[in-house]
Amino acid sequence: DAGITQSPRHKVTETGTPVTLRCHQTENHRYMYWYRQDPGHGLRLIHYSYGVKDTDKGEVSDGYSVSRSKTEDFLLTLESATSSQTSVYFCAISAGQGSTYGYTFGSGTRLTVV
Amino acid sequence: GENVEQHPSTLSVQEGDSAVIKCTYSDSASNYFPWYKQELGKRPQLIIDIRSNVGEKKDQRIAVTLNKTAKHFSLHITETQPEDSAVYFCAAIGGATNKLIFGTGTLLAVQP
Repeated sequence: DAGITQSPRHKVTETGTPVTLRCHQTENHRYMYWYRQDPGHGLRLIHYSYGVKDTDKGEVSDGYSVSRSKTEDFLLTLESATSSQTSVYFCAISAGQGSTYGYTFGSGTRLTVV
Repeated sequence: GENVEQHPSTLSVQEGDSAVIKCTYSDSASNYFPWYKQELGKRPQLIIDIRSNVGEKKDQRIAVTLNKTAKHFSLHITETQPEDSAVYFCAAIGGATNKLIFGTGTLLAVQP
């Protein structure tokens, strides 16, 4: 496909447990993003990265942390999962400024916190 | 920061009719406005985009218009077909950031 994969595709976890979602790209793109999708809210930006070890917060970053130690991997961690974090999580990549290169999305991870 | 509003949230049309989805944005420095189509259980896919130096762009049955003064942009789908049924998202990128901010989506249902 577009050279971007997310893992796992589905996960069920218990409240209070840590969870890490992985986004892996083979495009050598500089920018990577994590969004969550919920009914009635569209896609909301959680965190993004503009290079190795360079990250910044998005609209809904509380309760989430990220890390990018290699160009190809962007990890999203829920330190202590809550039911409000039940959602579909999408990773996206961009070669450069989004207005020039556009975004490509991964297939998503469906996370259920019980 | 940028805020994008999208209307309507649901839209039902008869096959062959036209569909129009409208979005407004808040950051006058925004310069890129893509539209994504998302089928059930799938990833969002880019269908058309427009940059702030252009007023209209067409791609077969799909067109997008941009009014920078009013800060709104619209998606027009003509001769709708059942396979056009999906959720459509508008989005905008602010001039000072590289963050894509989405509208809340429109569920389009095309009735055969």
